[in-house]
Amino acid sequence: DTGVSQDPRHKITKRGQNVTFRCDPISEHNRLYWYRQTLGQGPEFLTYFQNEAQLEKSRLLSDRFSAERPKGSFSTLEIQRTEQGDSAMYLCASSFRGGKLFFGSGTQLSVL
Amino acid sequence: GNSVTQMEGPVTLSEEAFLTINCTYTATGYPSLFWYVQYPGEGLQLLLKATKADDKGSNKGFEATYRKETTSFHLEKGSVQVSDSAVYFCALSDQGGAGGTSYGKLTFGQGTILTVHP
Repeated sequence: DTGVSQDPRHKITKRGQNVTFRCDPISEHNRLYWYRQTLGQGPEFLTYFQNEAQLEKSRLLSDRFSAERPKGSFSTLEIQRTEQGDSAMYLCASSFRGGKLFFGSGTQLSVL
Repeated sequence: GNSVTQMEGPVTLSEEAFLTINCTYTATGYPSLFWYVQYPGEGLQLLLKATKADDKGSNKGFEATYRKETTSFHLEKGSVQVSDSAVYFCALSDQGGAGGTSYGKLTFGQGTILTVHP
């Protein structure tokens, strides 16, 4: 069990650019979640997958955001045409059948 | 909608002091309640949970009791240590959704920074 890993740890980009983050969940965890955390706030739910199916999306997930989980293993979160307001820590978490949630260390995005 | 409110921090204590971090919630239905902890440089970790009214969650000397009548889930520890310095988040689960019961879709409070001095 190597834990939930996220890549990259830090990403700096210019406004208007596209960025993609990757999350590798704990093997055999069928559920995968994405959260966003801004400074001084708690994480906010964005979306989650059960296997390869995206079952729920928050209203926070604008049409510039897209998440995928092909083959039910790793997941990617893409943000198109980044804005300064997208600057945040993006957290990934996984669980087995909706049980205890295990979080990764996150990807810190800075949009200049 | 669901919401969680935590006492504002930061909280600074001396080692062996008593800790209370207040948490109140608003939710429809019967949520499960959680405390998560984030140590410096690490990811969020589940500290304890309670799934129904009057349940007490406990772990590593920390305790919290699910109080439905006051919609609260306050975190307590009788004697804190320097190693307890971290950010603490209260959270509740959304029991609905297409995937059925899930502890993964959480609503978090804003977090409370705890610093314990020797």
